[in-house]
Amino acid sequence: EVQLVESGGVVVQPGGFLRLSCAASGFTFDDYAMHWVRQAPGKGLEWVSLISWDGGSTYYADSVKGRFTISRDNSKNSLYLQMNSLRAEDTALYYCAKEAGDHYYYYYMDVWGKGTTVTVSS
Amino acid sequence: EIVLTQSPGTLSLSPGERATLSCRASQSVSSSYLAWYQQKPGQAPRLLIYGASSRATGIPDRFSGSGSGTDFTLTISRLEPEDFAVYYCQQYGSSLSITFGQGTRLEIK
Repeated sequence: EVQLVESGGVVVQPGGFLRLSCAASGFTFDDYAMHWVRQAPGKGLEWVSLISWDGGSTYYADSVKGRFTISRDNSKNSLYLQMNSLRAEDTALYYCAKEAGDHYYYYYMDVWGKGTTVTVSS
Repeated sequence: EIVLTQSPGTLSLSPGERATLSCRASQSVSSSYLAWYQQKPGQAPRLLIYGASSRATGIPDRFSGSGSGTDFTLTISRLEPEDFAVYYCQQYGSSLSITFGQGTRLEIK
């Protein structure tokens, strides 16, 4: 069974930092690009970041560029999101999602984790 | 950045009825890069439609997608009780801009 399990979400103060993790199983992890997508409480979906299957290319939404860093460790089947200079508006449920294309970008997500909650508050 | 506007914001229908959800883009979107997701309360989104009209694996054929350019539609031919949820469209544009619509809530009338 294809599965993504996020972890690392906590309550953090504004200006703080946090690293989210996503453990993947049930598919050949290093064949696929991976996304982070977030959802603020009661709001819609917002794409955050994308990393290529080999980790060599990364892309970010303007709202997080320069503050967040996406990375992956294919030997551990794991995806990460380093979040620095956190703001109240970063408060959200963060989903890890698998890109649909095998060594290709279709730019949609065919498998999602259940998410991990980040709250930025003093 | 391409903005996706979904309408209506809320759609109230009864089981067995036909649902038509709209997604309008601020600029032309390649059909290859238009997708639809379903999200139920407390759950992650689920991919329904990709490439504007192709059903994802395991999606019932009562779900269909259509459209091109700036106007796209998700149709549910006969609503089942489990179809009442929030639906999002999503697109990929140039300069790696991935955006979602604000969602349409499909509720039981």
